[in-house]
Amino acid sequence: NAGVTQTPKFRVLKTGQSMTLLCAQDMNHEYMYWYRQDPGMGLRLIHYSVGEGTTAKGEVPDGYNVSRLKKQNFLLGLESAAPSQTSVYFCASSSGFGNTDTQYFGPGTRLTVL
Amino acid sequence: GQQLNQSPQSMFIQEGEDVSMNCTSSSIFNTWLWYKQDPGEGPVLLIALYKAGELTSNGRLTAQFGITRKDSFLNISASIPSDVGIYFCAGRLSSLVFGKGTRLSVIA
Repeated sequence: NAGVTQTPKFRVLKTGQSMTLLCAQDMNHEYMYWYRQDPGMGLRLIHYSVGEGTTAKGEVPDGYNVSRLKKQNFLLGLESAAPSQTSVYFCASSSGFGNTDTQYFGPGTRLTVL
Repeated sequence: GQQLNQSPQSMFIQEGEDVSMNCTSSSIFNTWLWYKQDPGEGPVLLIALYKAGELTSNGRLTAQFGITRKDSFLNISASIPSDVGIYFCAGRLSSLVFGKGTRLSVIA
């Protein structure tokens, strides 16, 4: 099992450009999440999905869109990148069942917006 | 919203020393999780706690779920260089909330 994988690992964008980050999991998890990590801020939830075809907003959703067309994939899109979106982005997945539900994280995508 | 206060923000310790860090909240949680993040990697789960008062060990790591359900601590005994990284606590009631992390540096 690869667990949670993310592509790309690094990306540099110019302000106004668009891009899509791909997250894939092979654990048959129902729930998937996108976080951003900034220095001194910990992990902040952008969007999440509780199942194929569903998405919901997290703590910091503005400027991002997501799609969950297949259970194993969760895409994060930036339509018009801004320097404030320079961050490290982490995807996570979990089974979503009960109190013992645990999130497993991917290796991250480091995005720089110039 | 729910917030976690994690302390200390950073620590510099000598190899072999014990380490203690904690998380507190004004909200109660049903679950406490402790993650470690190595440089350039994603967080990896270390210990999960599901009941108030629960004390759980994983090798040199020990974590406890506070009896009030509003706090948790993580101890690392006899630290080694590979313990370097950022340690995050996370609490869950309905959703998962992360602390801002404790950055641990170990001096050999």
